[in-house]
Amino acid sequence: DVQMTQSPSNLAASPGESVSINCKASKSISKYLAWYQQKPGKANKLLIYSGSTLQSGTPSRFSGSGSGTDFTLTIRNLEPEDFGLYYCQQHNEYPWTFGGGTKLELK
Amino acid sequence: EVQLVESGGGLVQPGASLKLSCVASGFTFSDYWMSWVRQTPGKTMEWIGDIKYDGSYTNYAPSLKNRFTISRDNAKSTLYLQMSNVRSEDTATYYCTRDDGTYYEGHWFAYWGQGTLVTVSS
Repeated sequence: DVQMTQSPSNLAASPGESVSINCKASKSISKYLAWYQQKPGKANKLLIYSGSTLQSGTPSRFSGSGSGTDFTLTIRNLEPEDFGLYYCQQHNEYPWTFGGGTKLELK
Repeated sequence: EVQLVESGGGLVQPGASLKLSCVASGFTFSDYWMSWVRQTPGKTMEWIGDIKYDGSYTNYAPSLKNRFTISRDNAKSTLYLQMSNVRSEDTATYYCTRDDGTYYEGHWFAYWGQGTLVTVSS
């Protein structure tokens, strides 16, 4: 199985700031990485797939980059609704696997 | 609007069986692969398995293959997860997802339900 390692586990920031969340795969997954947002009381939301393709409805302040084993989710100009849990998931090979999550908290 | 509504969770004893359901609406259910994903109380997310749009093929996480079975009824737009011989480590919130992607790009989880909590305890 492809192991996905996310960092940091926790991140504190203020509205208006920019943050980056990293995801590292144990082997090359080409560009095939997705990012999700989880917030209490809401269905999980797909943000980005194939490394950098924004899902319809994802605000342009979100961006994804990387290929091979190293990927980054960047959120520019944080909005209050951006705080929550973020997960990466590789979709290069079965079984699909997730990172351990990053909790983005209000500073 | 895509909606996925899971049900069937609850408190179950170790060694028992349980069947979860997920009713889909807002899209043509029979056109999509579907998956089950679970999240432990510690927030670890784990893909359980998926099923082809016509129900003819399934894939599973190797560690769960022998105890979990995914099926679907396209006439009822419903996805199922049959869990057998459950263990305490199966305690989790179980989500159904609509999968997007292709054979070449793999699958990502475009839509999620709100989840149903399964607690395994005596």
